[in-house]
Amino acid sequence: DIVMTQSPDSLAVSLGERATINCKSNQSVLYSSTNKNYLAWYQQKPGQPPKLLIYWASTRESGVPDRFSGSGSGTDFTLAISSLQAEDVAVYYCQQYRSSPHTFGQGTKLEIK
Amino acid sequence: QITLKESGPTLLKPTQTLTLTCTFSGFSLSTSGVGVGWIRQPPGKTLECLALIYWDDDKRYSPSLKNRLTITKDTSKKQVVLTMTNMDPLDTATYYCVHRLTYGPFDSWGQGTLVTVSS
Repeated sequence: DIVMTQSPDSLAVSLGERATINCKSNQSVLYSSTNKNYLAWYQQKPGQPPKLLIYWASTRESGVPDRFSGSGSGTDFTLAISSLQAEDVAVYYCQQYRSSPHTFGQGTKLEIK
Repeated sequence: QITLKESGPTLLKPTQTLTLTCTFSGFSLSTSGVGVGWIRQPPGKTLECLALIYWDDDKRYSPSLKNRLTITKDTSKKQVVLTMTNMDPLDTATYYCVHRLTYGPFDSWGQGTLVTVSS
């Protein structure tokens, strides 16, 4: 299985400030034949299912605010929120879908400072 | 608009078999590239992918749970069924049904159903 490790486990950021979450895989999730990174980011608010934010490492899902961005390639990835809003308080998960079983990181809890 | 809804028992005793049904709308599981899967999340923990079934009946299982899982589809009823045998209290979790398209991420999720295993 590909192991996904997120850092930090929790993060407190002031409103309007930038938040950054990292995700590292123990094997590359870049598929050479498509030149795509099979890496997604999800947001989960309490009592709700996860919501897809970013896929192919950097493509925003339709309707996701442009303050959310994804970057990285191979084994190292980052989710950034450029200007934190109150509604961004949630747990964020990275996931690789390069190979089965599709595995998730342990989650990063984002709070307001 | 894609919707998925999980149904099944909320409480099981140890050793019993769990049967969950995902009823979906907004897509067909006979369309090339489409997949439906099951993900679970124990309280306060991360997500675990259990099983996926694709339009061509290809099935993928979590290696650690493979011996306990069976996933099937009924395309005409727009349902996917997951069975998990020999349930244990450690299997207590919210179970989600998800949609996947053409090797992509899980782009639609059901609301989830909490399954508790307790004697």
